Amino acid sequence: DAGVIQSPRHEVTEMGQEVTLRCKPISGHDYLFWYRQTMMRGLELLIYFNNNVPIDDSGMPEDRFSAKMPNASFSTLKIQPSEPRDSAVYFCATSAGRNYGYTFGSGTRLTVV
Amino acid sequence: RKEVEQDPGPFNVPEGATVAFNCTYSNSASQSFFWYRQDCRKEPKLLMSVYSSGNEDGRFTAQLNRASQYISLLIRDSKLSDSATYLCVVNARGADGLTFGKGTHLIIQP
Repeated sequence: DAGVIQSPRHEVTEMGQEVTLRCKPISGHDYLFWYRQTMMRGLELLIYFNNNVPIDDSGMPEDRFSAKMPNASFSTLKIQPSEPRDSAVYFCATSAGRNYGYTFGSGTRLTVV
Repeated sequence: RKEVEQDPGPFNVPEGATVAFNCTYSNSASQSFFWYRQDCRKEPKLLMSVYSSGNEDGRFTAQLNRASQYISLLIRDSKLSDSATYLCVVNARGADGLTFGKGTHLIIQP
């Protein structure tokens, strides 16, 4: 089992550019979560999917953020346009159900300059 | 009151000592509780689930107190490799998404 795979590992982009983060979940995990982590705010839930359907996107900061899960093996988080305050580590995590813990990917460290 | 609250530390503890830290949560309807460990510049990893009756995994013991709405983690015979940030995790909204505390930083000193 390769675990949760995220790409890219690091991304440096200029303000105003579009950024796309990718996640491949563990096969058979029905839940997929996108989190953002900063020193100030810790880990924040942005959005999560159950069986590819977005369930709760109340944590998405604003309209510049969007997420999709077109199939059970792939999800994207897009920021357009990016801003310096979006700089953070973005984690994708998956789970087999609400009573199970999550398995996290290695994260994408995003820097917007 | 924050949904999940932890003492950020750092806790500086000599090797071999026992250390314990608590975490409080605000939503009494919460059903699932976990402790995660996060090493510097790495992803969080599940350490253990926390069950109502309390549970133990080797040197680690987790307890849940629903009446007072807190969970605890006890580490016995601490090792240098236990140095990390320990995240308290609760499904604070009673739904599927888990809420993470900001973590307690633990440093085991030789």
